[in-house]
Amino acid sequence: ETVLTQSPGTLSLSPGERATLSCRASQSVSSSYLAWYQQKPGQAPRLLIYGTSSRATGIPDRFSGSGSGTDFTLTISRLEPEDFAVYYCQQYGSSLYTFGQGTKLEIK
Amino acid sequence: EVQLVESGGGLVKPGGSLRLSCVASGFTFSSYTMNWVRQAPGEGLEWVSSITSGSSYIYYADSVKGRFTISRDNAKNSLYLQMNSLRAEDATVYYCATADWGFGGSFLYWGQGTLVTVSS
Repeated sequence: ETVLTQSPGTLSLSPGERATLSCRASQSVSSSYLAWYQQKPGQAPRLLIYGTSSRATGIPDRFSGSGSGTDFTLTISRLEPEDFAVYYCQQYGSSLYTFGQGTKLEIK
Repeated sequence: EVQLVESGGGLVKPGGSLRLSCVASGFTFSSYTMNWVRQAPGEGLEWVSSITSGSSYIYYADSVKGRFTISRDNAKNSLYLQMNSLRAEDATVYYCATADWGFGGSFLYWGQGTLVTVSS
C-alpha cells in the first residue's frame, strides 16, 4: 500500500498570500493518478486537480499542481477567503486508492 | 445535474450489520466505476471499496476486507455497501463517489454522505 504523507498538518496564512502544500508518497506514484481535493466543514470533498497538474472543471487558475515520483505539490497563488479549508492528496495504484491525512489551511 | 444520494446509515450495535445505498442521477451510472469513501468525524478520508461499471472487478481496503461487500444494480442506478461484523472504528460518514477515468481515476462526483454509528 502506498502511504501519502502531507505537510504541514496546518498552514496559517493570510488572504493574498501564496500557499504551498506538500504530498509525499512512500513509493513512486504515476503522475496520471495523483489528485487533490478541497473539503470545507459539513461538505463532501471537491476535486481540484487530477493527473498531478490538470485543473478540474470550474477550478480557478490560482490553483496549480506539480510534482513527480514521490513528491507532489499543490500551490494556491493568491489566497482568497473561500480557499481556507482542508486539502487532501489521493493516489491510485495497483487497483487501490489512498488519501493523505490532510492539510488544514487556516486564516492567520 | 449530477446527484448521488446515500441512505441507510444509522445506529447499530457492535457486531451488527447495515446496508448502505447510493442512488445516482444526471449521468450514465452504468458507465462509471463507483466507490465508497468514509470519514470519521474530524478525521481524514479513507477509501473503502471500488466496483467497476459492469461489476467485473471489485476491490476493498484491508480494513474492511471480509466484512464489507460492495455491489451495484445498473438498472436501478444504485450502489450498495453491505457492512457486517461492524466495529466501533467503522462509525463514520460514508460517501459514494464516481471514479472518472477521463480524470485519471479521480473522484469527480460525491454524495453528501450517510452517518453510521456503532454503539451498544
